[in-house]
Amino acid sequence: DIQMTQSPSSLSASVGDRVTITCRASQSITRYLNWYQQKPGKAPKFLIYATSNLQSGVPSRFSGSGSGTDFTLTISSLQPEDSAIYYCQQGYSTPRTFGQGTKVEIK
Amino acid sequence: EVQLVESGGDLVQPGGSLRLSCAASGFTFSIYGMNWVRQAPGRGLEWVSYISSSGTTINYADSVKGRFTISRDNAKNSLSLQMNSLRAEDTAIYYCATDKLDLAARAFDYWGQGTLVTVSS
Repeated sequence: DIQMTQSPSSLSASVGDRVTITCRASQSITRYLNWYQQKPGKAPKFLIYATSNLQSGVPSRFSGSGSGTDFTLTISSLQPEDSAIYYCQQGYSTPRTFGQGTKVEIK
Repeated sequence: EVQLVESGGDLVQPGGSLRLSCAASGFTFSIYGMNWVRQAPGRGLEWVSYISSSGTTINYADSVKGRFTISRDNAKNSLSLQMNSLRAEDTAIYYCATDKLDLAARAFDYWGQGTLVTVSS
């Protein structure tokens, strides 16, 4: 199975800050990397697919980049409503695996 | 509007069985692959099972293979997960999720609200 490792596990930033979350795969997954946002007590929300494509309705302050084994999710200007846990997920092979999550808090 | 509504979660004893259902509406269910994804309390996300749009391709996580069975009824717009020989480690919220139609994604685009399965004596 492909292992997905996110860093950091948690972060605290101020409104307006640029935030970057990293996701590393244990082997190359080309660009089959997706991102989700989960708020407490809610189902995950699909944000970005195939590394850099925003799902419809997702604010443009979210962006993704990377290829191979190293990927990033960037929030260009953090907003209060972005407080959540973010998960990466590889779609390269079955089983599809998730990172352990990165908790983003607002200072 | 896409809607996925899970049901069937309950408290069950170890070794017991449970059947989860997911009712789909607001989209053409029969053309979507479907998944079950679970989340243990306070933990991350774990993919459990996938079934193709026609039902001909089925995959399971190793942790549930041989114990869980995924199925679908396209005429009724419904997805099911039969869970047998349940263990304490199966305790989780179970989400049904659509497989994004874009093959470059292999992602889960729409999710239900989840149903809680608790395995405990």
